[in-house]
Amino acid sequence: QQPVQSPQAVILREGEDAVINCSSSKALYSVHWYRQKHGEAPVFLMILLKGGEQKGHEKISASFNEKKQQSSLYLTASQLSYSGTYFCGTEFWRSGGYNKLIFGAGTRLAVHP
Amino acid sequence: EAQVTQNPRYLITVTGKKLTVTCSQNMNHEYMSWYRQDPGLGLRQIYYSMNVEVTDKGDVPEGYKVSRKEKRNFPLILESPSPNQTSLYFCASSLYADINQPQHFGDGTRLSIL
Repeated sequence: QQPVQSPQAVILREGEDAVINCSSSKALYSVHWYRQKHGEAPVFLMILLKGGEQKGHEKISASFNEKKQQSSLYLTASQLSYSGTYFCGTEFWRSGGYNKLIFGAGTRLAVHP
Repeated sequence: EAQVTQNPRYLITVTGKKLTVTCSQNMNHEYMSWYRQDPGLGLRQIYYSMNVEVTDKGDVPEGYKVSRKEKRNFPLILESPSPNQTSLYFCASSLYADINQPQHFGDGTRLSIL
């Protein structure tokens, strides 16, 4: 049930772009994205609801393809501050009316000058 | 300031010695949960609570207990800790459980069990 993130790690130079993918084998209700800097708590970036919407947060945007059950996070013109581990969380509907949120293993992103 | 507060931040203890990690939020959130983070495995949910006196198991509940007697507090109890519970633990909260809600995480508790 855990979503699969790819790649596991990315190394970039400042200004380069990157894409992080998150795939699920189950039908998704929504996808969350979080960033965790070393030694800190995960911080919420955005939620995408089913419907194929695309969202943005500064130069970070994401898409959600409901048919393919996957989401992609796009980091444009990366900055040093983008370094960290990115987690996707996939939300499933379950009995009782409460969704279940399961996190992927994470993608480590390192941006160098 | 809106926040989730965990204590302690670091703890080294020995096998079998009962311990409690506290979690408190000041945002009047209904939903609270505990995760453990291990290298290569991401965040795995231990227990969650949808409101006061309502708790349920997550994906890795063995060896842990929780309680939710007040809305703001959600302590994690290890009755008889073992070395395989050495991990980084996060408490999180969100406004509701049944609507897409961002999770607000505490700063984490690094637990080492010898």
